[in-house]
Amino acid sequence: GPKVLQIPSHQIIDMGQMVTLNCDPVSNHLYFYWYKQILGQQMEFLVNFYNGKVMEKSKLFKDQFSVERPDGSYFTLKIQPTALEDSAVYFCASSRQGNYAEQFFGPGTRLTVL
Amino acid sequence: QQKVQQSPESLIVPEGGMASLNCTFSDRNSQYFWWYRQHSGEGPKALMSIFSNGDKKEGRFTAHLNKASLYVSLHIKDSQPSDSALYFCAESSGSWQLIFGSGTQLTVMP
Repeated sequence: GPKVLQIPSHQIIDMGQMVTLNCDPVSNHLYFYWYKQILGQQMEFLVNFYNGKVMEKSKLFKDQFSVERPDGSYFTLKIQPTALEDSAVYFCASSRQGNYAEQFFGPGTRLTVL
Repeated sequence: QQKVQQSPESLIVPEGGMASLNCTFSDRNSQYFWWYRQHSGEGPKALMSIFSNGDKKEGRFTAHLNKASLYVSLHIKDSQPSDSALYFCAESSGSWQLIFGSGTQLTVMP
């Protein structure tokens, strides 16, 4: 089936550094999402992105977070600067349509902030 | 804030048995519900969706929705060891985000 790829699978960085998480969505999908999952807790929505714009974001999507998809390449989540509480697994997802459409998830990037 | 509560947290069933997973949600405006399955080291993958009251069957999987009771469930018939995974229910109430439950860890014993 359709696959979403995420790079890297694991990233370890020092607090205060910048990190960029990369997502390669399904090729004909137009809607993109980031979710955050802290170990042992449920997955929580961060942001969705369509037509070059953030459409919705949650309170977890702090000012230090940004997303973009320059020229149809990777869909990225940038955190600058990172904080200890940003340690989590970040899942990217994409869908062909918006409301009620199936979201296809990548395998996640485990971010560890020291 | 919308909440989705899942039970049980973990479930062990014998191979060939029936697994029943439950979710309750808080928003009466919730429209659409999903069941996702996540194997270790992978992202969640959609199993099925349901938006009408009643049962929806896809192979060995049956979802049940009762909007009046704010309740959705998943039943897995003839459970297989390959069904062992983390199962999430998720709801969508018209926005693009999914609200996930906390998950049920299912183990099917050979």
